[in-house]
Amino acid sequence: DTGVSQDPRHKITKRGQNVTFRCDPISEHNRLYWYRQTLGQGPEFLTYFQNEAQLEKSRLLSDRFSAERPKGSFSTLEIQRTEQGDSAMYLCASIQTGGDTGELFFGEGSRLTVL
Amino acid sequence: QKEVEQNSGPLSVPEGAIASLNCTYSDRGSQSFFWYRQYSGKSPELIMSIYSNGDKEDGRFTAQLNKASQYVSLLIRDSQPSDSATYLCAVRQAGTALIFGKGTTLSVSS
Repeated sequence: DTGVSQDPRHKITKRGQNVTFRCDPISEHNRLYWYRQTLGQGPEFLTYFQNEAQLEKSRLLSDRFSAERPKGSFSTLEIQRTEQGDSAMYLCASIQTGGDTGELFFGEGSRLTVL
Repeated sequence: QKEVEQNSGPLSVPEGAIASLNCTYSDRGSQSFFWYRQYSGKSPELIMSIYSNGDKEDGRFTAQLNKASQYVSLLIRDSQPSDSATYLCAVRQAGTALIFGKGTTLSVSS
């Protein structure tokens, strides 16, 4: 079984451009999370999905950010009109609810650099 | 505002010593508590989970929870250079997202 997969791993873009990240969770996991992490900080929660339903969004998720999980499988995170402050590692994680450990399985992340 | 607080460190200990990492949280309704380890340039990985007051041991690691004091700790016995990493405390209330602290950087010198 493969782990959580994220694509692309690295993205360099110019300010004002739109970017989209994709996350493929572990196949049997019904819950999917997006986090953002900057250097020296812990992961900051952005949003999460239970199957295809987006259940919670952080106040960090401005109107330039949108996330979808259309069929309850993979998810996309789009950032419109990128700003230099959006430069960060975007982490996706998944979990099967009701599991014993409550462990989130993280992908390797998508690193965004906005010039 | 749900918050998880950790001392950012760095915490430096010699090889073989006990490393003690601490975490406090603001939401009294929190039910699940986790310690993740993150090596530089890598994603977080789960070390311990704890759900009830008291101690939980797993090998060289012991997690401690005190809900009345809203306090979680992680003890690492016989610290090894390979334990050098950032340790993230994470807290979850039922049905909500997992909230992470900023992490404590541990350095174990040989």
